[in-house]
Amino acid sequence: TQLLEQSPQFLSIQEGENLTVYCNSSSVFSSLQWYRQEPGEGPVLLVTVVTGGEVKKLKRLTFQFGDARKDSSLHITAAQPGDTGLYLCAGERLRYGNTGKLIFGQGTTLQVKP
Amino acid sequence: KAGVTQTPRYLIKTRGQQVTLSCSPISGHRSVSWYQQTPGQGLQFLFEYFSETQRNKGNFPGRFSGRQFSNSRSEMNVSTLELGDSALYLCASSLGLAEETQYFGPGTRLLVL
Repeated sequence: TQLLEQSPQFLSIQEGENLTVYCNSSSVFSSLQWYRQEPGEGPVLLVTVVTGGEVKKLKRLTFQFGDARKDSSLHITAAQPGDTGLYLCAGERLRYGNTGKLIFGQGTTLQVKP
Repeated sequence: KAGVTQTPRYLIKTRGQQVTLSCSPISGHRSVSWYQQTPGQGLQFLFEYFSETQRNKGNFPGRFSGRQFSNSRSEMNVSTLELGDSALYLCASSLGLAEETQYFGPGTRLLVL
């Protein structure tokens, strides 16, 4: 059972287009993190959202945490080829056991064509 | 500050062999977590160590084991390798306090033939 559903799984767009990636769960998280991973490398943290309803902006990237802290979205404006990569959301739980502190979504592979 | 380092970066083994992977956390970080990443399953939690003690273990068979040393460096071992163990093994470190960020290393790409 995937506790964090991420969609879409694959996205191929042209440079300049906008896109939104969604991360949904029936569980409540104490925080939600977004990572970007390039081939052959480990995930790099982009942002952490903690408060329900919180919106954070990182240049052309806008991250939102749902009011109930069960879902999040990542919106990219005017995508560029340099945005290409695997985007992962990860929910942090206060109580965790054999699934670890962070629960990861399956990831969204984004390809931005010039 | 240097980031999380993992060695080796790439490894090729054959079925039945065993392998040991190493992770050096960011200086001052006391918690180390290990993850397995495959295209089909995504990132799966293996185990977490803090102050040389295993705090949590994921749903992996006993062939997967780990340990942490007094300097917070960590190793994971996989015995009797199977083809399905081919994956990117990621290590992440954090200060070890509640609700703080994990920083990932570049991973070790393991290929089992």
